[in-house]
Amino acid sequence: AQTVTQSQPEMSVQEAETVTLSCTYDTSENNYYLFWYKQPPSRQMILVIRQEAYKQQNATENRFSVNFQKAAKSFSLKISDSQLGDTAMYFCAFIGHQTGANNLFFGTGTRLTVIP
Amino acid sequence: DSGVTQTPKHLITATGQRVTLRCSPRSGDLSVYWYQQSLDQGLQFLIQYYNGEERAKGNILERFSAQQFPDLHSELNLSSLELGDSALYFCASSARSGASYNEQFFGPGTRLTVL
Repeated sequence: AQTVTQSQPEMSVQEAETVTLSCTYDTSENNYYLFWYKQPPSRQMILVIRQEAYKQQNATENRFSVNFQKAAKSFSLKISDSQLGDTAMYFCAFIGHQTGANNLFFGTGTRLTVIP
Repeated sequence: DSGVTQTPKHLITATGQRVTLRCSPRSGDLSVYWYQQSLDQGLQFLIQYYNGEERAKGNILERFSAQQFPDLHSELNLSSLELGDSALYFCASSARSGASYNEQFFGPGTRLTVL
């Protein structure tokens, strides 16, 4: 069974600073995808970034980047130059391939507050 | 705007009642997923439909059922409602289902409150 663990329930960062959110996962699969979703106060789920397990290069999307350590089953999200609009819940999520289904397994989330 | 619509936005009902949540996927998407977000259970997958057929089941209670219609919209039916069913219910859609990855686009959710 797949599990996704986010050990930081809450974090805060000063505006313009950098913050890293942690995520670990457990799976027996070799080919899978990992994601970070953002959920602002509006409750909309927004895809921030994704990483394919077979790609060694860490994914980046503008100010967002990941540190993917496959052997350690770790997938952290780094937010650079934090902005007030980054204040949100952040969920780490996983999709495996072996089941043939594409449903997401989510972690419990990290509530990030950007302080002006 | 993800292109996925969900109605209603909010629903308030009483214990024991039955409700239906509706989802219209993005144009062209064949897969629909239902997720529940509650305070105690977090975000969890309920069920997936692909082109009208059930594809995968997660932690969906027997009191809950879903279907996907020929026009690809989906409905999630919740019956014999309990206080613990109060949650935000998300629908997501993706282009296909199966071995290759397809991004899931989430709707705005339906907030269900059971009193």
